[in-house]
Amino acid sequence: GENVEQHPSTLSVQEGDSAVIKCTYSDSASNYFPWYKQELGKRPQLIIDIRSNVGEKKDQRIAVTLNKTAKHFSLHITETQPEDSAVYFCAAKESGGSYIPTFGRGTSLIVHP
Amino acid sequence: DAGVIQSPRHEVTEMGQEVTLRCKPISGHDYLFWYRQTMMRGLELLIYFNNNVPIDDSGMPEDRFSAKMPNASFSTLKIQPSEPRDSAVYFCASSSGVINTEAFFGQGTRLTVV
Repeated sequence: GENVEQHPSTLSVQEGDSAVIKCTYSDSASNYFPWYKQELGKRPQLIIDIRSNVGEKKDQRIAVTLNKTAKHFSLHITETQPEDSAVYFCAAKESGGSYIPTFGRGTSLIVHP
Repeated sequence: DAGVIQSPRHEVTEMGQEVTLRCKPISGHDYLFWYRQTMMRGLELLIYFNNNVPIDDSGMPEDRFSAKMPNASFSTLKIQPSEPRDSAVYFCASSSGVINTEAFFGQGTRLTVV
């Protein structure tokens, strides 16, 4: 089965700095990579996703990059704001018959004002 | 659509009691997942259903845990008997079987077993 590793487990930055969270996956059949944001006491919600036919996707201050050869993908947040503070989860989903997203352990991002 | 609906939002129970968590997936979604979230283990997949049929329950920690999906709009996760180490947030999520689609999570049930 798929195995997703996520680093770092915690990340502390100053407001306005950039934040980068990295994930690796093991199953080369995975072709869908969503990122979820979970604010304190709330549910995980999708913030951005990328499919294996593109290498980069951007949505305002957040971007995701994918390197299929190396089997890793990253979330980049620029100009961080205190409201970006949350736990971020990466996931990988394979296309080989099961539609089960495998999640990383999560990164707790703290943005200091 | 109101999204994935879970109940109760919070549950406090005594050790040894039976606990039943409930989930209503998004209409039209044919996959339903139960996850457990703890600080130590993160998000763990317990079991998932496809078209109401349990496909993989290898994540269910013990025989004390069981899950059912009697129809496309309802699922339960039952713990009997409950233990303090079962304390966690339990999420239900659903998704469409179409490739490359996200899973939508419910608000979760925070379970505390004392």
